[in-house]
Amino acid sequence: DADVTQTPRNRITKTGKRIMLECSQTKGHDRMYWYRQDPGLGLRLIYYSFDVKDINKGEISDGYSVSRQAQAKFSLSLESAIPNQTALYFCATGGANPYNEQFFGPGTRLTVL
Amino acid sequence: DAKTTQPNSMESNEEEPVHLPCNHSTISGTDYIHWYRQLPSQGPEYVIHGLTSNVNNRMASLAIAEDRKSSTLILHRATLRDAAVYYCILRIYGGSQGNLIFGKGTKLSVKP
Repeated sequence: DADVTQTPRNRITKTGKRIMLECSQTKGHDRMYWYRQDPGLGLRLIYYSFDVKDINKGEISDGYSVSRQAQAKFSLSLESAIPNQTALYFCATGGANPYNEQFFGPGTRLTVL
Repeated sequence: DAKTTQPNSMESNEEEPVHLPCNHSTISGTDYIHWYRQLPSQGPEYVIHGLTSNVNNRMASLAIAEDRKSSTLILHRATLRDAAVYYCILRIYGGSQGNLIFGKGTKLSVKP
C-alpha cells in the first residue's frame, strides 16, 4: 500500500461549492504539506503542519483552509470553489528533520466549472 | 522566487549519461541543494541532496561546484523511466522551516 494516499483522485465541481480533499499517511511523520500545481509550473505551497496543533500558511493560502485531524490525516478545504482553483493538488509528508526528503502522494485533479 | 535556474528541457538517448545543470548564484553557506523529479502523472519524488561535497546514491550523483554557485545532477545511464521533470531546489536552512520552493524544472526526454 502507498505511504501517502489522497482522496479523491479526480473531482469535478461547480463554482461556489465546498470541497474537501483528504490526505492520509502511514509513514508516521509529523510534518504534512499541501501543494498545488498548475500546468507547466512547479508546485506551490498552500499550507503546512508540523504537528497536530501546528498549522501554517504557505505561499498561496487565500481561498483555502486545512484541518489536521490526527498525525496521519491532513485535509484541505475550498470553502467556495472558483474556476482558478482548477489545478493538481499534492499532499506530502516529512520527518522530524525539516531538511530531509518529503514524500508526495499521487495527487488530486480538481476541476472547478 | 525559486532562486535556481535550469534549462527548460533536455534530451538524452537511452543508456547514455545525462548531465542536468542548475545555477544558484545567490546560494548561502547553509543552503542545501535538493533535487526532486516528477514522473508523468505522479507526485514529485526525492532524488538526492547535498551541501558542499559531491554525493552519490542509487538513483544519481550530484556534483557541486567548488563555489557552490552551480550543481549538476548526473544520471549515469538514462532509461525510458527517467523521462520526467527534474527540479533543483535550494532548501534554506533556518528559513521557512526548510520548505521546498519549486521552480519550473527541466523536462528530460529519453529517446530509445
